[in-house]
Amino acid sequence: DAKTTQPTSMDCAEGRAANLPCNHSTISGNEYVYWYRQIHSQGPQYIIHGLKNNETNEMASLIITEDRKSSTLILPHATLRDTAVYYCIVRGDNYGQNFVFGPGTRLSVLP
Amino acid sequence: EAQVTQNPRYLITVTGKKLTVTCSQNMNHEYMSWYRQDPGLGLRQIYYSMNVEVTDKGDVPEGYKVSRKEKRNFPLILESPSPNQTSLYFCASSPPPGTRRDNEQFFGPGTRLTVL
Repeated sequence: DAKTTQPTSMDCAEGRAANLPCNHSTISGNEYVYWYRQIHSQGPQYIIHGLKNNETNEMASLIITEDRKSSTLILPHATLRDTAVYYCIVRGDNYGQNFVFGPGTRLSVLP
Repeated sequence: EAQVTQNPRYLITVTGKKLTVTCSQNMNHEYMSWYRQDPGLGLRQIYYSMNVEVTDKGDVPEGYKVSRKEKRNFPLILESPSPNQTSLYFCASSPPPGTRRDNEQFFGPGTRLTVL
């Protein structure tokens, strides 16, 4: 069973911030929150991950609530190329542990 | 260029005709995995391998075989394909434990298989 809940779809205007929410109320202490995206049937691409602190990299920011039951992926200035399915995944830190991909959120960036 | 490659990218075949989908990575990754993706079902893991000669079943292994004779290659074998194996297949790999990004998976471009 999926450990995360995401909206099925979202729209965002080009140039604006895209905020993608994810609920993971049953997350346990050693589990990380990962975000991947998949652009039109290409292989999924890693975006970012975090444990409890907020994280930022060149692609996005990840905001995790203090109770760790939810998180938000932020694409600060969405472009048309960010149109994709975004997957929020909760996973332990054991090497080789499977990533369980749910249905994700289909983000459409509109011109 | 560091990458995961799959061949073929597209394949149409008939029921019962054995086929192999190859996967190769040039990043010295130890962990490799195969997924299938079907509409409404997300990505589901078929088999994975923690290292050479070490393989294990994922969530949907029925009808598939794998081998890991060398670190860079992880072929997926369908001995007798059936129409319900029509799907989009992805291979993925992860860096060795203890290295930077060892908990990420790097995915190949996918193989679209149709079994008639």
